[in-house]
Amino acid sequence: QVQLQESGPGLVKPSETLSLTCSVSGGSINSYYWSWIRQPPGKRVEWIGHIHYSGDTTYNPSLQSRVTISVDASQNQFSLNLNSVTAADTAVYYCARIRRRVVVATDTDYWYFDLWGRGTLVIVSS
Amino acid sequence: DIQMTQSPSSVSASVGDRVTITCRASQDIRSWLAWYQQKPGQAPKLLIYAASSLQSGVPSRFSGTGSGTHFTLTISSLQPDDFATYYCQQAHSFPLTFGLGTKLEI
Repeated sequence: QVQLQESGPGLVKPSETLSLTCSVSGGSINSYYWSWIRQPPGKRVEWIGHIHYSGDTTYNPSLQSRVTISVDASQNQFSLNLNSVTAADTAVYYCARIRRRVVVATDTDYWYFDLWGRGTLVIVSS
Repeated sequence: DIQMTQSPSSVSASVGDRVTITCRASQDIRSWLAWYQQKPGQAPKLLIYAASSLQSGVPSRFSGTGSGTHFTLTISSLQPDDFATYYCQQAHSFPLTFGLGTKLEI
């Protein structure tokens, strides 16, 4: 049974870099896409971006200038770096496995999250 | 970005009730919608993808319908374990976006 676990500092100072790691256990990180998602207190869940095990990334344009997602297949982990943080980046951060389904008949694809970590609260404050 | 609007924001119900939650997309997303359940302090759990496909292991009392811009999640007979917050997510295009959630309360 595949499980995901986020780890990293729970407190980050403004203007610094938020760094989180997601460890994947019970299965290989290979052959899948992996994502970061966040939920600020009382606000909408926000997709941050995702990475294929090969290293290809897709980011939310609203965060693209500040985000880097990377993968370490040898450690079965992937990571999030978000730089120049402000109080608006305070949120519960989740890692998740994201599935891509291709509809051959229409040459389209769709994406959904089938496994999530429990989430970790990151507070941005001095 | 595609905006997702859920209604109601909260609903009170009792065990055994039938409950329907609605999600509307700001543009046509075909059938590319997912539903999630989240309980306090827990990770969200995938219930339904592609608007009506039940994720493995999810009870059959959960069902989803819709296409285009209008979607519904129905719980046919509420069980105590179903009291949670439910989110829709458009799976059609980037950036992937979520509804604000519907809190299902006793």
